[in-house]
Amino acid sequence: KAGVTQTPRYLIKTRGQQVTLSCSPISGHRSVSWYQQTPGQGLQFLFEYFSETQRNKGNFPGRFSGRQFSNSRSEMNVSTLELGDSALYLCASSLEVRDSLYTKNIQYFGAGTRLSVL
Amino acid sequence: GENVEQHPSTLSVQEGDSAVIKCTYSDSASNYFPWYKQELGKRPQLIIDIRSNVGEKKDQRIAVTLNKTAKHFSLHITETQPEDSAVYFCAASSRGSTLGRLYFGRGTQLTVWP
Repeated sequence: KAGVTQTPRYLIKTRGQQVTLSCSPISGHRSVSWYQQTPGQGLQFLFEYFSETQRNKGNFPGRFSGRQFSNSRSEMNVSTLELGDSALYLCASSLEVRDSLYTKNIQYFGAGTRLSVL
Repeated sequence: GENVEQHPSTLSVQEGDSAVIKCTYSDSASNYFPWYKQELGKRPQLIIDIRSNVGEKKDQRIAVTLNKTAKHFSLHITETQPEDSAVYFCAASSRGSTLGRLYFGRGTQLTVWP
């Protein structure tokens, strides 16, 4: 099975521009989560989509948005870029394994898109 | 919502020694606790996980323990090797209103010196 694919791998933008990042999940996975990773800040959760609906949202400003398509592919968009948006953006797809009590949410990460804002 | 605290933020050990990373969580509804390893320049990968009905789980040199009463869980790595050097993240999730979301700790940079 192919892994999680993120495109592009690298992006250079200038302040004020907007950017769209793409994530193709593992076949059969319906959940896609997005994270921002900066040195020393760990994995900051942006949002999670499941079956084309935003199911969870982190504490990022409205400039950060996303969507998911019927084939589970997801995009995130950042408008009016700021210098502080420079980061590695990771997406993760997951297959939720449920039994009567537990949901095992194993997330598989893509290689990320490294965004530099100049 | 859930809050996951992870300590220490950095950990240096000599090859062959043990390493322990600890996490606490706040939401008693959390019932699934994975650990991810991220090597330099690579993506995070799941290394071990535990459910709340289990107190301990082992996989070769790594083990995870869970104390539901105290709301903390720990990663133990024995006989550390230089290739264990990486950032380790703990996480928690539940079946409640935040189903689908993993709450991550801030990470521990483990360095194993030869």
